[in-house]
Amino acid sequence: KQEVTQIPAALSVPEGENLVLNCSFTDSAIYNLQWFRQDPGKGLTSLLLIQSSQREQTSGRLNASLDKSSGRSTLYIAASQPGDSATYLCAGQQYSSASKIIFGSGTRLSIRP
Amino acid sequence: GAVVSQHPSWVICKSGTSVKIECRSLDFQATTMFWYRQFPKQSLMLMATSNEGSKATYEQGVEKDKFLINHASLTLSTLTVTSAHPEDSSFYICSAPPEGGTDAYGYTFGSGTRLTVV
Repeated sequence: KQEVTQIPAALSVPEGENLVLNCSFTDSAIYNLQWFRQDPGKGLTSLLLIQSSQREQTSGRLNASLDKSSGRSTLYIAASQPGDSATYLCAGQQYSSASKIIFGSGTRLSIRP
Repeated sequence: GAVVSQHPSWVICKSGTSVKIECRSLDFQATTMFWYRQFPKQSLMLMATSNEGSKATYEQGVEKDKFLINHASLTLSTLTVTSAHPEDSSFYICSAPPEGGTDAYGYTFGSGTRLTVV
């Protein structure tokens, strides 16, 4: 059974720092991987999608990478801002053709002004 | 891009009543819909998978008689929480894979429904 672990569970850093969030899968056979942001009491905002043929995606200050051989993904946030404070979730799609997505436990990020 | 409209956004109901949550795919056909539940400060846990025209598949530990899922058309999937109890209070969210199963886009999520049972 696929399990997804995110480290750290919580992180508090001062504004301006670069930071890395980690995600690992017990089964390294990952087809697609998505990173989401969730604000308190809200739904999900998709940040980055790493498709089956890709290893990395970038959007603005965000960069996500996926190492399929180890079943690990990282989300890099550059020059963090207070507005980045949220819970970040990684989610893996194990197979192609509309298979279910398994979510990680999440990292609660707090950026101090 | 693809949009899944989820209603209601929030609902408060009395213990013992039933609540229906709807998810509609607005500009694409969703042959499959995934239903998740999220308790406070926890991650999203998959409850069940609905497929248009067939019975839903439930994850281990999810009561199929309590959480009724209907996927009657290619654009509508519903989750009904029957005889709700306070422990059913949670955030429920649906998700649909891209039409055709292509991986050009990620899955689309509804905005979620916060259910409070009093």
